[in-house]
Amino acid sequence: EAQVTQNPRYLITVTGKKLTVTCSQNMNHEYMSWYRQDPGLGLRQIYYSMNVEVTDKGDVPEGYKVSRKEKRNFPLILESPSPNQTSLYFCATFVNTEAFFGQGTRLTVV
Amino acid sequence: EDQVTQSPEALRLQEGESSSLNCSYTVSGLRGLFWYRQDPGKGPEFLFTLYSAGEEKEKERLKATLTKKESFLHITAPKPEDSATYLCAVGGSGYSTLTFGKGTMLLVSP
Repeated sequence: EAQVTQNPRYLITVTGKKLTVTCSQNMNHEYMSWYRQDPGLGLRQIYYSMNVEVTDKGDVPEGYKVSRKEKRNFPLILESPSPNQTSLYFCATFVNTEAFFGQGTRLTVV
Repeated sequence: EDQVTQSPEALRLQEGESSSLNCSYTVSGLRGLFWYRQDPGKGPEFLFTLYSAGEEKEKERLKATLTKKESFLHITAPKPEDSATYLCAVGGSGYSTLTFGKGTMLLVSP
């Protein structure tokens, strides 16, 4: 079964405490991406990766980092989280034109 | 800059009451127009891809159509389980991104 797995599903943290949200896919897809979803703003792309060791900024990359050391994993790193990064985050992988999304990570930064 | 506008923001229907959701877009070099369904707290689920004006696709009670400026998602005789947020997205000339609309929240009452 095609799966995109994110962890954790829920996270409450404090301002400035580094955190990592993991994303793993079992489809051997080259393309992966991170989105955040906020009320009234919809889904906005944070970073994407076309292949291993190839990453690029999306529409809202400030305050985030990513890495792509192996094809299946694409972690999202918040080195110094701030309250404006409170959001619902989705990892996605694409093949041709079809996207597969993870179940989401609801992050609250206090 | 690619733009996607969905209307209405919210739609309430009675079971069996057919209707349409609208997605208007501007994009340089349409690579595809995509429809997703999103249930609360879950990741978007792929429904359709449309590539060129005049194309239509169907799945159960849903039918998606595409013109040069907009797409419609027609819902025929909806059931309560069709209640969800429906997202429209476009892929532009660059492969790297999908631009999403803010979605239409559909509620179907028994």
